Parts: sequence; C-alpha cells; structure tokens
Amino acid sequence: DQQVKQNSPSLSVQEGRISILNCDYTNSMFDYFLWYKKYPAEGPTFLISISSIKDKNEDGRFTVFLNKSAKHLSLHIVPSQPGDSAVYFCALVIGAQKLVFGQGTRLTINP
Amino acid sequence: ETGVTQSPTHLIKTRGQQVTLRCSSQSGHNTVSWYQQALGQGPQFIFQYYREEENGRGNFPPRFSGLQFPNYSSELNVNALELDDSALYLCASSNSGTGDSYEQYFGPGTRLTVT
Repeated sequence: DQQVKQNSPSLSVQEGRISILNCDYTNSMFDYFLWYKKYPAEGPTFLISISSIKDKNEDGRFTVFLNKSAKHLSLHIVPSQPGDSAVYFCALVIGAQKLVFGQGTRLTINP
Repeated sequence: ETGVTQSPTHLIKTRGQQVTLRCSSQSGHNTVSWYQQALGQGPQFIFQYYREEENGRGNFPPRFSGLQFPNYSSELNVNALELDDSALYLCASSNSGTGDSYEQYFGPGTRLTVT
C-alpha cells in the first residue's frame, strides 16, 4: 500500500522556466512534509519543508504548496537552473519522526 | 559543522552472511534513523534510535537490528543476508526536541551487494 505517490517518474524543463513536481498522499495523519533532492552517489539533501497547518512555504527559488483537502503537495522551482537536475523525493512525517518517501521524480533541466 | 558520514562506501557479501554498517551523526544531532533504498525506489524507513534506544521501527524483520552509542553514532546490523537485501543503506540524523526536529540530514549511504 503506497501511502505517498509521485506519479511522474521524470520531468524535463527548459532552463529559466518553472519546474513543478507533484506528490499525492493517502494518510491524513501526516503532519509535516519535506522535499529532498538527490544527486547520484550522494544521500538525499533536505530542500524545504511545510507544516500541515500551512499551505505555502517559500525559500528562495523553491516554494512548496500543500492542499490538504486534495492530499496533494507540490514543489515549484523558479527559475530552473542546470544544477537543479537531480531526483526529487517528497517525504511525509508520521508518528515518531518516521519519513515516508515517494518513489522520486527525475528532473532534467535543459539549457 | 561535520555532516553525516557512513562507512563503508561499498560492500559485497554472500547470502547468509552478516554485515555491520556504521554512521556518525551530524554534530549536535541526537537521533539517528536508517533507511533502505532499493533501485528506482524511495528510501524505506528501517528504524530510528534516540538516546540509545530504538524509537520506532518500519516493516523490517528482526534480523535487521541496530545500536546507538553515547556519542550518538550508530550501527545497522543485518543477519542472514538475502539477495533482496542488496540496496543503498542511508543513515539520517536529526535533533529531537527542537523546532526543526522533523528535518533529517542524510549521509552518502553504503551500497550493499549480496551475491
């Protein structure tokens, strides 16, 4: 039973445009949401987070939106840069700080 | 500030053997979590240690066990290795009891291959 789904395995975006990565979840008990970026041969790097009591959080080029009624989370990157090419994971927190990850979306930024 | 480190980087073991993976948490962090990442999948939670005690466990059999030491470093032990245990094992540290305690910081991982 997949509690967290990233339905797009890959996404290709032109440099300078907006990248939008999506994540859907089924368990309404999740109370904190995070996005991680992963380069090959490295561990996931924390990007940005949002609490379930908010619907938006911004940090520079990165904005996370949370739609609790739709159980949907999205990450917007604008403008997209070549260094943003990586695999992006959404991760949801439940209970004792257990992170439940989606399957990941590979983002490629084209020059 | 020292980040999360893991050793070894790569490891090859034979089915039925035992393995120990090691993790040093980020400076100032008191909680360590372990994850297994199979190829093409997101990381899956194995267990978490806080104050040297197991503090939550995922859907992994008892042959997966761990330890946390007084300096907050940690070990993951896997007994009776199976072919399906081949994966990237990730350690993450965090600081329980602070406002940002949900944010976990990952090491580079140990790639385990079981033949």
